[in-house]
Amino acid sequence: QKEVEQNSGPLSVPEGAIASLNCTYSDRVSQSFFWYRQYSGKSPELIMSIYSNGDKEDGRFTAQLNKASQYVSLLIRDSQPSDSATYLCAVNTNSGGYQKVTFGIGTKLQVIP
Amino acid sequence: EAQVTQNPRYLITVTGKKLTVTCSQNMNHEYMSWYRQDPGLGLRQIYYSMNVEVTDKGDVPEGYKVSRKEKRNFPLILESPSPNQTSLYFCASSLGGGIETQYFGPGTRLLVL
Repeated sequence: QKEVEQNSGPLSVPEGAIASLNCTYSDRVSQSFFWYRQYSGKSPELIMSIYSNGDKEDGRFTAQLNKASQYVSLLIRDSQPSDSATYLCAVNTNSGGYQKVTFGIGTKLQVIP
Repeated sequence: EAQVTQNPRYLITVTGKKLTVTCSQNMNHEYMSWYRQDPGLGLRQIYYSMNVEVTDKGDVPEGYKVSRKEKRNFPLILESPSPNQTSLYFCASSLGGGIETQYFGPGTRLLVL
């Protein structure tokens, strides 16, 4: 089982719709969860970080965390064509006593005008 | 401007010819890391450094070396590149380890013939 799992997509949504991106992780003691956006050929950039169970909202983005289910999601409201990118879920994991970040393979989002 | 820089951005080389990819950050971050990104495999950590003179292997260290003689610099060395090291490489830095947001450099696209 991979440490961080994401559906690679592509996930296609019409402009203005809500895009829902999902991620599951295997390390029960993970404490930090991140969503990065990556445009093709560019470097990842942070969208959201979340550390506690529940929802965290920032503009059109909402991150949701459920530690009991080991599940983290990202909702994008009023999706725009400029949101078309790959979204990487990242989770901190304990590796030999060191806290490292493990990335999922990313979900490609396509927003159709 | 706070940033992580990498050089070169693009590199074509031949098997066995030693090369170095430089990485520098101006944010006084203690933690730095190298990743490679391959289609279908996502971001995989090569090496990381917790501070000056402190480095350790990530998930895919074979064929790579690093050094951290100064806080701001973290070069990646390929002593004898092989075609399976053809990839997109990212350097990243953060204040701490797995619980902190990482800031990524622009990436280095390497082709080994």
